[in-house]
Amino acid sequence: KQEVTQIPAALSVPEGENLVLNCSFTDSAIYNLQWFRQDPGKGLTSLLLIQSSQREQTSGRLNASLDKSSGRSTLYIAASQPGDSATYLCAVKKTSYDKVIFGPGTSLSVIP
Amino acid sequence: DTGVSQDPRHKITKRGQNVTFRCDPISEHNRLYWYRQTLGQGPEFLTYFQNEAQLEKSRLLSDRFSAERPKGSFSTLEIQRTEQGDSAMYLCASSFPGQGSYNEQFFGPGTRLTVL
Repeated sequence: KQEVTQIPAALSVPEGENLVLNCSFTDSAIYNLQWFRQDPGKGLTSLLLIQSSQREQTSGRLNASLDKSSGRSTLYIAASQPGDSATYLCAVKKTSYDKVIFGPGTSLSVIP
Repeated sequence: DTGVSQDPRHKITKRGQNVTFRCDPISEHNRLYWYRQTLGQGPEFLTYFQNEAQLEKSRLLSDRFSAERPKGSFSTLEIQRTEQGDSAMYLCASSFPGQGSYNEQFFGPGTRLTVL
């Protein structure tokens, strides 16, 4: 059974810092991995999607890497801003049509 | 707005009452998923439809829960005899297995259920 964990559970950083969020999954046989952002009481916003054949994806100040063999992914946020404060969720799929299995999330707070 | 929509956005009910939520997927998306998210946790899969066929149900979907997608378009999720443990955010997602889409699931804003 696939299990997804995220470390740390919560993170507080001063504005401007670069930071890394970590995600681990137990079954390396994944179709893709996705990072989401969730603001309090809101739905999910997709940030980056990495197919199993890819190593990383970049969007603006965000960079996500995938090491499928070791079951790890990292989300790098450069020059953090208070508007980045949210919960970041990592999620994997076993096949293209399968359900998404989520981690518990990392709650990020960027202090002005 | 061409995204996934859910109605209502918030629902407060008393224990023992029945509630029904609706999800409208992105037009032409043939797959529709329901997830439940409790406070401080990631979403957990409940059930999934391909067109009108319900293809998979999680063990989380007790017999008090029923989901339908009668015409292969919108879907409803009904909870009978609600319990306080049903309080959660219910998220709907849809996807389309088109070439290059990777069958990416697009999520709606969710329905927040509070059972008093």
